[in-house]
Amino acid sequence: EPEVTQTPSHQVTQMGQEVILRCVPISNHLYFYWYRQILGQKVEFLVSFYNNEISEKSEIFDDQFSVERPDGSNFTLKIRSTKLEDSAMYFCASTILRGYEQYFGPGTRLTVT
Amino acid sequence: GESVGLHLPTLSVQEGDNSIINCAYSNSASDYFIWYKQESGKGPQFIIDIRSNMDKRQGQRVTVLLNKTVKHLSLQIAATQPGDSAVYFCAENKKQGGSEKLVFGKGTKLTVNP
Repeated sequence: EPEVTQTPSHQVTQMGQEVILRCVPISNHLYFYWYRQILGQKVEFLVSFYNNEISEKSEIFDDQFSVERPDGSNFTLKIRSTKLEDSAMYFCASTILRGYEQYFGPGTRLTVT
Repeated sequence: GESVGLHLPTLSVQEGDNSIINCAYSNSASDYFIWYKQESGKGPQFIIDIRSNMDKRQGQRVTVLLNKTVKHLSLQIAATQPGDSAVYFCAENKKQGGSEKLVFGKGTKLTVNP
């Protein structure tokens, strides 16, 4: 069964450093998302992406965040200058059509020290 | 504001019993709802969904009920098994302009005792 994959599974970085989280969505999906989950809390929407542009972003997704689909398979989330409060699980999701099930990846645990 | 929440943070049941997990949502315009299961250290896993033109939908051992009058969603798990132990989230597919996003509730941790 097709699945969303994410790398790395765990990323440790120092405050102020740039990180890039990588995702490979399901191949025929058209809509892509990043969500965040701080330990013990609910999953929060960050950004949606379709047709090579951002469709919607949350208030969390400030100028330090960016997303890119550099080729036909990868979808990346970049944090330019990480803060301690960026420590969380980051999940990538994709769906073939809007209003249908979003498939989630296993997540990347980001730890900012 | 937007709010999709759960009534109970934890639920403990005996193996073989039926489990019911509840969720309240606030956006009456939402037309698509999903239940996700999240095991420790993993991403949310789709369980079942329902659209607003339905009141009930059944899957394998799971049933979702939607009461639009009181904006309430529930997940019923029949003959709960130890493998069902996880955190369960309801999510509302919120539309805004030309985009959509999932708004998650806070989650209910289900523990199944053998």
